[in-house]
This record gives sequence, structure tokens and C-alpha cells, in this order.
Amino acid sequence: DADVTQTPRNRITKTGKRIMLECSQTKGHDRMYWYRQDPGLGLRLIYYSFDVKDINKGEISDGYSVSRQAQAKFSLSLESAIPNQTALYFCATSEAGRDEQYFGPGTRLTVT
Amino acid sequence: GDSVTQMEGPVTLSEEAFLTINCTYTATGYPSLFWYVQYPGEGLQLLLKATKADDKGSNKGFEATYRKETTSFHLEKGSVQVSDSAVYFCALQPGGYQKVTFGIGTKLQVIP
Repeated sequence: DADVTQTPRNRITKTGKRIMLECSQTKGHDRMYWYRQDPGLGLRLIYYSFDVKDINKGEISDGYSVSRQAQAKFSLSLESAIPNQTALYFCATSEAGRDEQYFGPGTRLTVT
Repeated sequence: GDSVTQMEGPVTLSEEAFLTINCTYTATGYPSLFWYVQYPGEGLQLLLKATKADDKGSNKGFEATYRKETTSFHLEKGSVQVSDSAVYFCALQPGGYQKVTFGIGTKLQVIP
């Protein structure tokens, strides 16, 4: 079984709709991250959380919110989706004091 | 701020050719440097890393040397295979902090 899972894997939604992307991990890591990947821009950090009570904005947090429901779960919400939020979204985890990040398989989101 | 520069590609090589993907960085202090690889349809996974100047990271026939004098961390492989076709991301992490800055990713296509 995968250590970092993301649901859904693919989603098409309409402008203005609220959508939630979910991430779960079985690695026991405290630190979790949300990134988006766009062609020509690489990966950009949206939000990160170093533990359940710690939430931090990344470089492109506008239009997004997150919830850390438990050590193992970190959700990303788009309150009112817009077409330029069409992208591939990745969740990642890391262990405190260690530098390697472990990525989920990604969610491809299309906003029409 | 911190930044990583790499070409987007695609880089197209014949099987058994020599590979170089250039990566240069801008950062204060002494960051750790990474190469992540993303195979089609998957999330990123760590390929190799180096944590101090002159360190050489290596894995699966790939290697990269941390060159502080030229602020570079170029990825090399002596003989590529079709299975190496993927997107390669150079990344840096400032010392003592887990936020990672990624380059835009370089797509490698290896043809038989």
C-alpha cells in the first residue's frame, strides 16, 4: 500500500464550486505539505504544517485553505474554484529533522 | 530569496548516451541540494542529495557534485536507459529549515 495517498486522483469541476483535496499518510511523519505543479513553473508550495496545531502559508496560498485534521490527514480546499487553479496538486510529508520529502501520486484538477 | 535554475527541456537522448542536466542555485548560507525524479503518472521521489560543499550524491548510476564555488549541482549519468525517461527536479533546502525550493523540472526522453 502507498505511504502517501491522495483523493481524488482526477477531478473536473466548474468555476465557483468548492472543492476539497485530501491527503493521508501512514509514514507517521509530523510534517505535511501541499504543492501545485504547472508546466514551466515547477512545484510551488501552497501550505505546510509541521504538526497538527501548526499551519503556515507557502508562496501561493491565495485562494486556498487547509485543514490538518490529524497527524495523518491534511486537506486542501478551494473555496471558489477558478480556471487558473487548474493544475496537478501534490501532497508530501517529511520527518522532523530529516530532509527527504515523500510525495503522493498527485491529483489532477481541472476547473472549467 | 532562494532560487533554482534548470532548463525545462525536453532533453532527448539515444539509449546509452551520456546525460548532463545543469542546475544552478541562489541561496544564502549552506543549503542542502537534491535531485528528485518524477516518472510518468507518479509523484516525485528523491534520487540523490548532497548536504555540504564537494559532497557527491549518487544513486542508480546518477551522480551530482555540490560545487559551492560555481553554485551548481549538475546531474550526470554515463549511459542512460529508456527507463530513465522522466522529469528531473533540482531542489535546495536551507540549513535547519524544511521548506524546499524546486526548479521547474527537466523532461528527459530516452529513445531506443
